[in-house]
Amino acid sequence: AQSVTQPDIHITVSEGASLELRCNYSYGATPYLFWYVQSPGQGLQLLLKYFSGDTLVQGIKGFEAEFKRSQSSFNLRKPSVHWSDAAEYFCAVGENTGGFKTIFGAGTRLFVKA
Amino acid sequence: AAGVIQSPRHLIKEKRETATLKCYPIPRHDTVYWYQQGPGQDPQFLISFYEKMQSDKGSIPDRFSAQQFSDYHSELNMSSLELGDSALYFCASSLGDLSGANVLTFGAGSRLTVL
Repeated sequence: AQSVTQPDIHITVSEGASLELRCNYSYGATPYLFWYVQSPGQGLQLLLKYFSGDTLVQGIKGFEAEFKRSQSSFNLRKPSVHWSDAAEYFCAVGENTGGFKTIFGAGTRLFVKA
Repeated sequence: AAGVIQSPRHLIKEKRETATLKCYPIPRHDTVYWYQQGPGQDPQFLISFYEKMQSDKGSIPDRFSAQQFSDYHSELNMSSLELGDSALYFCASSLGDLSGANVLTFGAGSRLTVL
């Protein structure tokens, strides 16, 4: 079965600093990978996705992520963090079982300090 | 643009009671997913439906059941509620893609509190 690991439970960065959130996946073939963001009490919003092709994908709100097959990673990056980016970030993988199941990582909570 | 609508947004029940959550997917989305998110937890997949048929089943307790209706809305029925069922329940919808490349759009969630 597929799995997603986000090794950092929480990260604190200063406003304006760069950000990288780590995500590792376990899957036998090329996975479908996603990053979602969740603000407190809200539903999850899709930031970006990787299906195939260019391994560097751009998302909304200035986020990008790079798929590295050799490292089984799909890390999320942003060059300059804004206070409004404080939220919980979930990496997810679409499971190709012939059905519909998206598996989420445990999440990384981002704190932004002024 | 229309989003995924969940109702009710908040629900308070007592132990052993029954609760029903409703989900209205984005128009033309044929796939619905239910997730349970406990405090500080990641969303746990419960169940999904594609074209009104159950597609995948996750960690859904036997006390819970769900279905997708002809208009594609879905209902999650929870019986014999336990304190541990207190959580945020998310519904998501997508256009069905058997390859797994499904982009989920989430509703705002229904918060269930069991006293």
